[in-house]
Amino acid sequence: DTGVSQDPRHKITKRGQNVTFRCDPISEHNRLYWYRQTLGQGPEFLTYFQNEAQLEKSRLLSDRFSAERPKGSFSTLEIQRTEQGDSAMYLCASSLGLVGEQYFGPGTRLTVT
Amino acid sequence: DAKTTQPPSMDCAEGRAANLPCNHSTISGNEYVYWYRQIHSQGPQYIIHGLKNNETNEMASLIITEDRKSSTLILPHATLRDTAVYYCIVRLQGAQKLVFGQGTRLTINP
Repeated sequence: DTGVSQDPRHKITKRGQNVTFRCDPISEHNRLYWYRQTLGQGPEFLTYFQNEAQLEKSRLLSDRFSAERPKGSFSTLEIQRTEQGDSAMYLCASSLGLVGEQYFGPGTRLTVT
Repeated sequence: DAKTTQPPSMDCAEGRAANLPCNHSTISGNEYVYWYRQIHSQGPQYIIHGLKNNETNEMASLIITEDRKSSTLILPHATLRDTAVYYCIVRLQGAQKLVFGQGTRLTINP
């Protein structure tokens, strides 16, 4: 247990539905990251926050994806109008400082049917 | 970020040292070498990182060649719990995101 928690751990949804995932980082960490991992591949960066500011977004983060980190604490990742291609593991990580290692949560596995 | 090349898979006997190589021939002077691993169904776990000098912690040792074009992660006494995918990542100083490749699937055999 790294101290980063994610909820839910598993989500099955029908195509076209909206889903929201939550990440609770290690409490003193000011940086929070979202990654996506498909089967057999390494994680791919989606976006990151420093405190409540979203400072970088990947091209992978289409208009259907939105992430927030109100008050610089927990973060949510919402996917609207889900597609089968969104099926993946969504990983959250947090870190402290510029070169601090990132601590990953257990991930949320999304299956879109 | 510089690209890394790792063997897709490796095997090691339990109790022996596991040596995982990584090539990063285009690494620049202000890029660090990071190693993470991912045990099945878990999030990646940080192992170690270094810039030029060899590094050691309670989990592993990192040996970086003098020209910095390659490195080796050493797990000194591998156990079955070390079975995982190991990722070598080159990360620019100050960069936030980690760029993962395919990694090396290490299997520790009893």
